[in-house]
Amino acid sequence: EVHLLESGGGLVQPGGSLRLSCAASGLTFSSCGMSWVRQAPGKGLEWVSAVSESGAYTYYADSVKGRFTISRDNSKDTLYLQMHSLRVEDTAVYYCARDLLSATVHWGQGALVTVSS
Amino acid sequence: QSVLTQPPSASGTPGQGVTISCSGGYSNIGSHSVIWFQQLPGTAPKPLIYFNDQRPSGVPDRFSGSKSGTSASLAISGLQSDDEADYYCATWDVSLNGVVFGGGTKLTVL
Repeated sequence: EVHLLESGGGLVQPGGSLRLSCAASGLTFSSCGMSWVRQAPGKGLEWVSAVSESGAYTYYADSVKGRFTISRDNSKDTLYLQMHSLRVEDTAVYYCARDLLSATVHWGQGALVTVSS
Repeated sequence: QSVLTQPPSASGTPGQGVTISCSGGYSNIGSHSVIWFQQLPGTAPKPLIYFNDQRPSGVPDRFSGSKSGTSASLAISGLQSDDEADYYCATWDVSLNGVVFGGGTKLTVL
Protein backbone atom coordinates (compact mmCIF):
# COMPACT_ATOMS: atom_id res chain seq x y z
CA GLU A 1 0.00 0.00 0.00
CA VAL A 2 1.27 3.45 -0.93
CA HIS A 3 2.00 5.69 2.03
CA LEU A 4 3.21 9.30 2.05
CA LEU A 5 4.02 10.83 5.43
CA GLU A 6 4.75 14.53 5.77
CA SER A 7 6.74 15.92 8.67
CA GLY A 8 8.49 19.11 9.69
CA GLY A 9 5.50 21.38 10.03
CA GLY A 10 5.07 23.77 12.91
CA LEU A 11 4.96 27.38 14.03
CA VAL A 12 7.49 29.81 12.58
CA GLN A 13 7.81 33.58 12.68
CA PRO A 14 7.46 35.70 9.56
CA GLY A 15 10.76 35.76 7.71
CA GLY A 16 11.75 32.39 9.14
CA SER A 17 12.57 29.08 7.49
CA LEU A 18 11.24 25.56 7.69
CA ARG A 19 11.92 22.29 5.87
CA LEU A 20 9.15 19.82 5.16
CA SER A 21 9.84 16.16 4.45
CA CYS A 22 7.64 13.54 2.83
CA ALA A 23 8.65 9.93 3.41
CA ALA A 24 7.31 7.51 0.81
CA SER A 25 6.70 3.78 1.06
CA GLY A 26 4.89 1.13 -0.95
CA LEU A 27 5.95 2.57 -4.31
CA THR A 28 8.96 2.86 -6.59
CA PHE A 29 9.75 6.39 -5.49
CA SER A 30 12.36 7.05 -8.15
CA SER A 31 9.71 6.45 -10.86
CA CYS A 32 7.25 9.04 -9.53
CA GLY A 33 6.94 12.73 -10.21
CA MET A 34 6.25 14.42 -6.88
CA SER A 35 4.45 17.61 -5.93
CA TRP A 36 3.63 19.83 -2.99
CA VAL A 37 0.13 21.28 -2.74
CA ARG A 38 -1.08 23.54 0.06
CA GLN A 39 -4.40 24.57 1.50
CA ALA A 40 -4.78 27.68 3.62
CA PRO A 41 -7.38 27.48 6.40
CA GLY A 42 -10.85 27.50 4.88
CA LYS A 43 -9.48 27.98 1.36
CA GLY A 44 -8.99 25.92 -1.76
CA LEU A 45 -6.09 23.85 -3.02
CA GLU A 46 -3.01 25.64 -4.35
CA TRP A 47 -0.22 23.87 -6.19
CA VAL A 48 3.19 24.88 -4.83
CA SER A 49 5.92 22.94 -6.59
CA ALA A 50 6.79 19.78 -8.48
CA VAL A 51 9.92 17.77 -9.23
CA SER A 52 10.63 15.19 -11.91
CA GLU A 53 11.44 11.56 -11.18
CA SER A 54 15.21 12.11 -11.22
CA GLY A 55 15.11 15.52 -9.60
CA ALA A 56 16.54 17.15 -12.69
CA TYR A 57 13.51 19.33 -13.37
CA THR A 58 11.71 21.51 -10.85
CA TYR A 59 8.65 23.72 -11.16
CA TYR A 60 7.26 26.41 -8.86
CA ALA A 61 4.18 28.54 -8.44
CA ASP A 62 4.90 32.24 -8.81
CA SER A 63 3.82 32.80 -5.20
CA VAL A 64 6.78 30.79 -3.87
CA LYS A 65 9.40 31.14 -6.60
CA GLY A 66 12.72 32.26 -5.18
CA ARG A 67 11.70 31.41 -1.61
CA PHE A 68 10.93 27.68 -1.72
CA THR A 69 13.12 24.85 -3.03
CA ILE A 70 11.86 21.37 -3.83
CA SER A 71 14.25 18.44 -3.82
CA ARG A 72 14.26 14.69 -3.43
CA ASP A 73 16.56 11.93 -2.25
CA ASN A 74 15.70 8.79 -4.17
CA SER A 75 18.08 6.75 -2.01
CA LYS A 76 15.93 7.64 1.00
CA ASP A 77 12.54 7.67 -0.78
CA THR A 78 12.02 11.18 0.58
CA LEU A 79 10.75 14.45 -0.86
CA TYR A 80 11.64 17.82 0.65
CA LEU A 81 10.39 21.38 0.57
CA GLN A 82 12.79 23.99 1.93
CA MET A 83 10.90 27.18 2.73
CA HIS A 84 12.62 30.52 3.37
CA SER A 85 11.35 34.06 3.94
CA LEU A 86 8.05 32.69 5.15
CA ARG A 87 5.05 34.99 5.13
CA VAL A 88 1.78 34.94 7.06
CA GLU A 89 0.04 33.99 3.82
CA ASP A 90 2.13 30.80 3.60
CA THR A 91 0.13 29.43 6.54
CA ALA A 92 -1.49 26.24 5.28
CA VAL A 93 -1.64 22.49 5.38
CA TYR A 94 1.05 21.25 3.01
CA TYR A 95 0.38 17.98 1.21
CA CYS A 96 2.87 15.95 -0.76
CA ALA A 97 1.46 14.03 -3.69
CA ARG A 98 2.68 11.45 -6.14
CA ASP A 99 1.87 11.71 -9.86
CA LEU A 100 -0.56 14.55 -9.14
CA LEU A 101 -2.36 14.61 -12.50
CA SER A 102 -2.34 10.92 -13.36
CA ALA A 103 -4.13 7.66 -12.64
CA THR A 104 -1.65 6.75 -9.89
CA VAL A 105 -2.10 9.97 -7.89
CA HIS A 106 -1.78 9.57 -4.14
CA TRP A 107 -1.76 12.21 -1.40
CA GLY A 108 -0.23 12.32 2.03
CA GLN A 109 -2.24 13.43 5.05
CA GLY A 110 -0.62 16.84 5.23
CA ALA A 111 1.54 18.90 7.58
CA LEU A 112 0.40 22.18 9.10
CA VAL A 113 2.68 25.19 8.73
CA THR A 114 1.71 28.26 10.72
CA VAL A 115 3.53 31.54 10.10
CA SER A 116 2.78 33.96 12.88
CA SER A 117 4.51 36.28 15.29
CA GLN B 1 -8.48 34.27 -8.41
CA SER B 2 -8.02 30.73 -9.74
CA VAL B 3 -6.92 30.02 -13.30
CA LEU B 4 -9.68 27.42 -13.59
CA THR B 5 -13.18 28.66 -12.81
CA GLN B 6 -15.65 26.55 -10.84
CA PRO B 7 -18.95 27.57 -9.28
CA PRO B 8 -18.38 28.10 -5.56
CA SER B 9 -21.40 26.00 -4.62
CA ALA B 10 -23.82 23.40 -5.94
CA SER B 11 -26.69 21.52 -4.36
CA GLY B 12 -29.22 18.80 -4.94
CA THR B 13 -31.56 16.48 -3.10
CA PRO B 14 -30.89 12.77 -2.51
CA GLY B 15 -31.33 10.81 -5.70
CA GLN B 16 -30.97 13.83 -7.96
CA GLY B 17 -28.10 14.57 -10.30
CA VAL B 18 -25.76 17.56 -10.32
CA THR B 19 -23.06 18.80 -12.67
CA ILE B 20 -20.03 20.87 -11.68
CA SER B 21 -18.26 22.85 -14.36
CA CYS B 22 -14.60 23.78 -14.70
CA SER B 23 -13.72 26.47 -17.21
CA GLY B 24 -10.22 27.27 -18.39
CA GLY B 25 -8.34 28.24 -21.50
CA TYR B 26 -6.21 26.96 -24.36
CA SER B 27 -3.07 26.81 -22.24
CA ASN B 28 -4.58 24.48 -19.66
CA ILE B 29 -7.78 22.50 -20.26
CA GLY B 30 -7.46 23.09 -23.98
CA SER B 31 -4.04 21.40 -23.97
CA HIS B 32 -4.12 18.82 -21.20
CA SER B 33 -6.40 16.31 -19.55
CA VAL B 34 -8.32 17.18 -16.40
CA ILE B 35 -8.40 15.45 -13.05
CA TRP B 36 -11.13 15.82 -10.42
CA PHE B 37 -10.71 15.47 -6.67
CA GLN B 38 -13.20 15.07 -3.85
CA GLN B 39 -12.24 16.45 -0.45
CA LEU B 40 -14.20 15.58 2.65
CA PRO B 41 -13.78 17.89 5.66
CA GLY B 42 -10.47 17.42 7.43
CA THR B 43 -9.14 14.88 4.96
CA ALA B 44 -6.75 14.82 2.02
CA PRO B 45 -8.23 15.07 -1.48
CA LYS B 46 -9.23 11.82 -3.17
CA PRO B 47 -9.14 11.30 -6.96
CA LEU B 48 -12.54 10.86 -8.59
CA ILE B 49 -11.82 11.21 -12.30
CA TYR B 50 -8.52 11.29 -14.20
CA PHE B 51 -7.68 11.80 -17.88
CA ASN B 52 -10.98 13.69 -18.30
CA ASP B 53 -13.33 10.75 -17.98
CA GLN B 54 -11.62 7.78 -16.34
CA ARG B 55 -12.63 6.48 -12.91
CA PRO B 56 -10.10 4.99 -10.49
CA SER B 57 -11.05 1.59 -9.16
CA GLY B 58 -13.43 1.91 -6.24
CA VAL B 59 -15.10 5.11 -7.44
CA PRO B 60 -18.80 4.47 -8.14
CA ASP B 61 -20.07 4.90 -11.69
CA ARG B 62 -22.40 7.59 -10.34
CA PHE B 63 -19.41 9.87 -10.92
CA SER B 64 -18.52 10.73 -14.50
CA GLY B 65 -16.33 13.30 -16.20
CA SER B 66 -16.20 14.95 -19.59
CA LYS B 67 -14.21 17.57 -21.43
CA SER B 68 -14.97 19.74 -24.42
CA GLY B 69 -12.59 22.38 -25.70
CA THR B 70 -11.50 24.54 -22.78
CA SER B 71 -14.09 23.29 -20.29
CA ALA B 72 -14.62 20.15 -18.26
CA SER B 73 -17.50 18.84 -16.18
CA LEU B 74 -18.05 16.44 -13.32
CA ALA B 75 -21.47 14.83 -13.16
CA ILE B 76 -22.80 13.09 -10.09
CA SER B 77 -26.00 11.08 -10.37
CA GLY B 78 -28.11 9.56 -7.62
CA LEU B 79 -26.86 12.02 -5.00
CA GLN B 80 -26.17 10.60 -1.55
CA SER B 81 -25.61 12.44 1.72
CA ASP B 82 -21.98 11.36 1.87
CA ASP B 83 -21.35 13.10 -1.46
CA GLU B 84 -21.33 16.34 0.53
CA ALA B 85 -17.77 17.55 0.00
CA ASP B 86 -15.60 20.02 -1.85
CA TYR B 87 -14.77 19.18 -5.46
CA TYR B 88 -11.73 20.45 -7.36
CA CYS B 89 -10.59 20.24 -10.96
CA ALA B 90 -6.92 20.48 -11.93
CA THR B 91 -4.67 20.28 -14.96
CA TRP B 92 -1.29 21.40 -16.29
CA ASP B 93 -0.89 24.90 -17.69
CA VAL B 94 1.71 25.19 -20.45
CA SER B 95 1.98 28.97 -20.13
CA LEU B 96 2.48 28.96 -16.37
CA ASN B 97 4.53 25.76 -16.55
CA GLY B 98 2.74 24.41 -13.52
CA VAL B 99 -0.38 22.77 -12.16
CA VAL B 100 -3.52 24.86 -11.84
CA PHE B 101 -6.54 24.11 -9.67
CA GLY B 102 -10.08 25.35 -9.79
CA GLY B 103 -11.28 27.32 -6.80
CA GLY B 104 -13.39 24.39 -5.63
CA THR B 105 -17.12 23.72 -5.48
CA LYS B 106 -18.87 22.97 -2.21
CA LEU B 107 -21.61 20.41 -2.82
CA THR B 108 -24.54 20.36 -0.44
CA VAL B 109 -27.03 17.50 -0.40
CA LEU B 110 -30.24 19.02 0.87
